[in-house]
Amino acid sequence: AQTVTQSQPEMSVQEAETVTLSCTYDTSESDYYLFWYKQPPSRQMILVIRQEAYKQQNATENRFSVNFQKAAKSFSLKISDSQLGDAAMYFCAYRSSSGGSNYKLTFGKGTLLTVNP
Amino acid sequence: GAGVSQSPSNKVTEKGKDVELRCDPISGHTALYWYRQRLGQGLEFLIYFQGNSAPDKSGLPSDRFSAERTGESVSTLTIQRTQQEDSAVYLCASSLAWSSYNEQFFGPGTRLTVL
Repeated sequence: AQTVTQSQPEMSVQEAETVTLSCTYDTSESDYYLFWYKQPPSRQMILVIRQEAYKQQNATENRFSVNFQKAAKSFSLKISDSQLGDAAMYFCAYRSSSGGSNYKLTFGKGTLLTVNP
Repeated sequence: GAGVSQSPSNKVTEKGKDVELRCDPISGHTALYWYRQRLGQGLEFLIYFQGNSAPDKSGLPSDRFSAERTGESVSTLTIQRTQQEDSAVYLCASSLAWSSYNEQFFGPGTRLTVL
């Protein structure tokens, strides 16, 4: 079974600075997807960024980018020019791309990000 | 509707009572998922529906939990004889189809508190 580990329960960053959230995962599969979700106090899970494992190029979405290291099974999220609205719980998630369990997401325990003005 | 909706937003119940949680997926989405989020934890997969059938119920914590979906639309998660350990946020998500490429869109969840 796949597992996802987020080793930083809490992180803080100054507004306009850059912060990196860590995620590692364990899998025996070669093809899969990785995600970062944001969960503000409203509880609504919002997809921030997605990475396909077969792509070597790191995904980027505006101020959000990832550092995907397949061999190390590492998938970190970098937030540049942090804004107050970025404050939330961030979850790393894994999903198989084939096989019998490719319908479900496996989540880490989350990192609570605080942005200081 | 514009997004996935869930009701009630919050539910407080007494130990031993039954509760029903409702999920309205995005119109046209054939796949629907239920997850549970305990305090300080990530989301745990419970069950998913492809149409009205549930191919995988292995994530349901016990036989007190059941779910159904009708008309390839609304889904209900029922917890019988609730226990304090059932206290959590229950999140529903839907996607266009069940394949891994399709993004899962989440609702705001139902916070269940069992006294």
